Amino acid sequence: DTAVSQTPKYLVTQMGNDKSIKCEQNLGHDTMYWYKQDSKKFLKIMFSYNNKELIINETVPNRFSPKSPDKAHLNLHINSLELGDSAVYFCASSPTPDILQPQHFGDGTRLSIL
Amino acid sequence: GNSVTQMEGPVTLSEEAFLTINCTYTATGYPSLFWYVQYPGEGLQLLLKATKADDKGSNKGFEATYRKETTSFHLEKGSVQVSDSAVYFCALQQGAQKLVFGQGTRLTINP
Repeated sequence: DTAVSQTPKYLVTQMGNDKSIKCEQNLGHDTMYWYKQDSKKFLKIMFSYNNKELIINETVPNRFSPKSPDKAHLNLHINSLELGDSAVYFCASSPTPDILQPQHFGDGTRLSIL
Repeated sequence: GNSVTQMEGPVTLSEEAFLTINCTYTATGYPSLFWYVQYPGEGLQLLLKATKADDKGSNKGFEATYRKETTSFHLEKGSVQVSDSAVYFCALQQGAQKLVFGQGTRLTINP
């Protein structure tokens, strides 16, 4: 059973397009996250939601807009894609925002901008 | 702000060699410390953690000890296997739910 699932796994698109990445977790967790991993494997948090409410919003261009329709889903919509957006995006979840609770990661979505 | 610095990779070892991946951190107060592992084509998985000074986290033969005096959390394994080939991330978390990761260290184990 997949605990944290992201779709699509690969996304290739042209500069200027708008795209969405979906994330769903079936663990019953309250908290979900989006991370960006660049070509050098550096991983940075972008957003975090707890029970559908935004709790972490790092310095991310406002072309990136997360949406949480319910606590099991956290989707990432990106407008006007740029070359620098090429990366692997990871969704994660944890039972609560409590730092002692480990985060469970999805397998990632590799976004390539042409 | 908080930060994590890891030993630069890539690291290549032979099977059964001893492994150390260095990790040091900068933080105020007492963060929790973690090692995550990323196998090829997969997401990150928690490998081990320590929540206070002198705690030792261990899992799958890997160990790391939270050293407050040297602000370090080095990852060690006595005898590595080919299946340990992955990217390893040191991370800290403090206060409001924000994991801060190091830059990752790619480990390759040759048979």
